[in-house]
Amino acid sequence: DGGITQSPKYLFRKEGQNVTLSCEQNLNHDAMYWYRQDPGQGLRLIYYSQIVNDFQKGDIAEGYSVSREKKESFPLTVTSAQKNPTAFYLCASSPSGATEAFFGQGTRLTVV
Amino acid sequence: DAKTTQPPSMDCAEGRAANLPCNHSTISGNEYVYWYRQIHSQGPQYIIHGLKNNETNEMASLIITEDRKSSTLILPHATLRDTAVYYCIVRVVRLTGGGNKLTFGTGTQLKVEL
Repeated sequence: DGGITQSPKYLFRKEGQNVTLSCEQNLNHDAMYWYRQDPGQGLRLIYYSQIVNDFQKGDIAEGYSVSREKKESFPLTVTSAQKNPTAFYLCASSPSGATEAFFGQGTRLTVV
Repeated sequence: DAKTTQPPSMDCAEGRAANLPCNHSTISGNEYVYWYRQIHSQGPQYIIHGLKNNETNEMASLIITEDRKSSTLILPHATLRDTAVYYCIVRVVRLTGGGNKLTFGTGTQLKVEL
């Protein structure tokens, strides 16, 4: 089935460790996005990529890094420099043109 | 991308129409209006989008004012399952080369009650 997949659904890490969240899509979409959501808050854009081998910072990129080596994949690394990494992380993708973005089901990261 | 302003919360009786307003007074001529909703702890779901004409699909209707500075999402017969946070977004759309930045605001929490 076509779609966008985030894994894992729940992730636990110790403070000070880097962790990489996976996002894969088989929709042949050019653009991919990463968002962070805190309890009771809206979505905040971390990074986005409009095309392979290119990405731009969103509104809260500090402490995060991404890569876009393949069209299907846009992994997000939460580094130890991110002061409050515990959050719900959402990935999305969209094709070119006036169409909608599709979202994954999210990864809930807890850092202890 | 232009910013949007939405009321933080609204209530609606089940079976009645839910009208959710959005202000986007700084919208540019090449920016579309998109609506998404998010049910608790799930990924946002696309509802509808438009440029300047009113739009309707199986989920909702989108009414955009003539000056494009505001819009209203209409759920014609709200049900309990429509309880969610509704986000209004304005976004430049590229025909090629990938999508543009997609920025969410704080949205409107719609509560549908019996």
